[in-house]
Amino acid sequence: NAGVTQTPKFQVLKTGQSMTLQCAQDMNHEYMSWYRQDPGMGLRLIHYSVGAGITDQGEVPNGYNVSRSTTEDFPLRLLSAAPSQTSVYFCASSGGGALSNTGELFFGEGSRLTVL
Amino acid sequence: GQNIDQPTEMTATEGAIVQINCTYQTSGFNGLFWYQQHAGEAPTFLSYNVLDGLEEKGRFSSFLSRSKGYSYLLLKELQMKDSASYLCALNDYKLSFGAGTTVTVRA
Repeated sequence: NAGVTQTPKFQVLKTGQSMTLQCAQDMNHEYMSWYRQDPGMGLRLIHYSVGAGITDQGEVPNGYNVSRSTTEDFPLRLLSAAPSQTSVYFCASSGGGALSNTGELFFGEGSRLTVL
Repeated sequence: GQNIDQPTEMTATEGAIVQINCTYQTSGFNGLFWYQQHAGEAPTFLSYNVLDGLEEKGRFSSFLSRSKGYSYLLLKELQMKDSASYLCALNDYKLSFGAGTTVTVRA
């Protein structure tokens, strides 16, 4: 079982570069989300989606874009990377829908991004 | 929005019991999760409370009081492998996490 797959696992960028973190799940989950985790800050929600074609902002959306063209994929785009975006990024999915319990979150292994 | 508070660090001895408290304020509530996260790894699910009361799962128990905006995670018979960060997460149709409590288990 693949579960939630994130790529790449490690990435180093220069300030101003753009990149996309990929996230795919094979569990037919409606709910998908992106978090960043910084020391002492816990997990902070960037964007989330309750189904294909629907996305919404979380706590820290600035500097990030997302799209949800299929149920399986939820890529996170950094249009112009900044050192403040150096972090560990986690994608997570859940079988719950928007108006019900989101249910248990299943996490990817994380993507460690460094912006110089 | 929501505000989630939990202690930053706790230390306990192997075989002991530790209780990690979580308090929250939210305009919408649909349940509370506890996750465990070992260093360098992704969080993994421990428990979920949607109704008031105690949920027991082996050595781990979780309690919820919705009227008080309060939950705790109880870890019994501590083992060295329980050294990890424990995250309280609030479900209001999206999942918001507290900063986490780092538990260190000493021999």
